[in-house]
Amino acid sequence: AQSVTQLGSHVSVSEGALVLLRCNYSSSVPPYLFWYVQYPNQGLQLLLKYTSAATLVKGINGFEAEFKKSETSFHLTKPSAHMSDAAEYFCAVSAVRGAQKLVFGQGTRLTINP
Amino acid sequence: GAVVSQHPSRVICKSGTSVKIECRSLDFQATTMFWYRQFPKQSLMLMATSNEGSKATYEQGVEKDKFLINHASLTLSTLTVTSAHPEDSSFYICSARDYSFTDTQYFGPGTRLTVL
Repeated sequence: AQSVTQLGSHVSVSEGALVLLRCNYSSSVPPYLFWYVQYPNQGLQLLLKYTSAATLVKGINGFEAEFKKSETSFHLTKPSAHMSDAAEYFCAVSAVRGAQKLVFGQGTRLTINP
Repeated sequence: GAVVSQHPSRVICKSGTSVKIECRSLDFQATTMFWYRQFPKQSLMLMATSNEGSKATYEQGVEKDKFLINHASLTLSTLTVTSAHPEDSSFYICSARDYSFTDTQYFGPGTRLTVL
């Protein structure tokens, strides 16, 4: 069965600092991996996704993630945090090939300190 | 990017009544839509997969008679919470799968259901 583990339910960084949100996955098939962001009382917005092409994936708002098969990881990074990045971030893996039956991690709340 | 809408965004109802939530893909056709439930400060839990023109597939532990799903067109899926009770209060989020070259799920803004 597919699963996702996000290390750290809460991450706090200073404005301008590096953002690193960790995600490890387990999948019995080559995975599709996703990062979504959720602002309070809103739905999810896709940041980026990995679909077996380039291992370094660039997304919106300056975020990127690197797929590392040997480490079963898909960590999300941003070189310089902005106050507007404060939100909940979810990593997800497809339970089957393609963008369907997503299994989500527990989420990481990102706080940006001025 | 593709847009998915949900209506209503917030609903308060009395215990025992039924509530219908609509999910629409606005600029693409979605043969597959998904319904999730999110409890406060928790992750999303997939409730069911809705396929246009066929019966929905429910996840284990989800009562299909309580959560009725209809996907009558390529742009609309509905979730009806029947005989709602306070424990059904939650944030319900739908998503629609775009089968184009992006093959991505796009999420609606969610519906906050409060059952009194």
